[in-house]
Amino acid sequence: DIVMTQSPLSLPVTPGEPASISCRSSQSLLHSNGYKYLEWYLQKAGQSPQLLIYLGSTRASGVPDRFSGSGSGTDFTLRISNVEAEDVGVYYCMQALQSPTTFGQGTKLEIK
Amino acid sequence: EVQLVQSGAEVKKPGESLNISCKGSGYYFISYWIAWVRQMPGKGPEWMGIIYPGDSDTRYSPSFQGQVTISADESTSTAYLQWSSLKASDSAMYFCARTKTYDSGVTGFDYWGQGTLVTVSS
Repeated sequence: DIVMTQSPLSLPVTPGEPASISCRSSQSLLHSNGYKYLEWYLQKAGQSPQLLIYLGSTRASGVPDRFSGSGSGTDFTLRISNVEAEDVGVYYCMQALQSPTTFGQGTKLEIK
Repeated sequence: EVQLVQSGAEVKKPGESLNISCKGSGYYFISYWIAWVRQMPGKGPEWMGIIYPGDSDTRYSPSFQGQVTISADESTSTAYLQWSSLKASDSAMYFCARTKTYDSGVTGFDYWGQGTLVTVSS
């Protein structure tokens, strides 16, 4: 299985400041079609996860442009340009290249 | 409006069987994969398996192979997750989610069900 490792696991952020979460995969997530099969999700308390980013850097429909994704074959980053109170929750990276699909451990973003 | 609506919370005893459901609406059900995801209390999501309702192609995580059965009924746009003999360790929240694959990529799990809480206790 592909192992997904996130850091940090806890991220206190002041509103209006930027935030960044790292995700590393144990194998390259670069598909033969040239796309990186890495997704980012946010799970708010008591809710289902919601898709933020797919194919490494494509924002899902309705996701604010303060969220951006980037990365190489094994190292990926989710950036939030100006954190808002509504961004609180646990962020997960997930690889969709190989079955079984695997998730990172999660990064809990909280407001300072 | 796209929706995935899951069946309600269940309380079961060890050894009992269980079938939970995920009904899709607002989109062409057979054109999207439906995955099942387990989330144990305080833990991250775990991908259990996935089914393509169009041809019933089903894949399982090795961790869940033989422990559960995933199926889908095209006529009712419903996917199912089934246990034949529950264990206390099956207590968790279960989510369904849809995704679509193309030659040029995947869409991500863009819609999720609201979750079904399963409690297994004697």
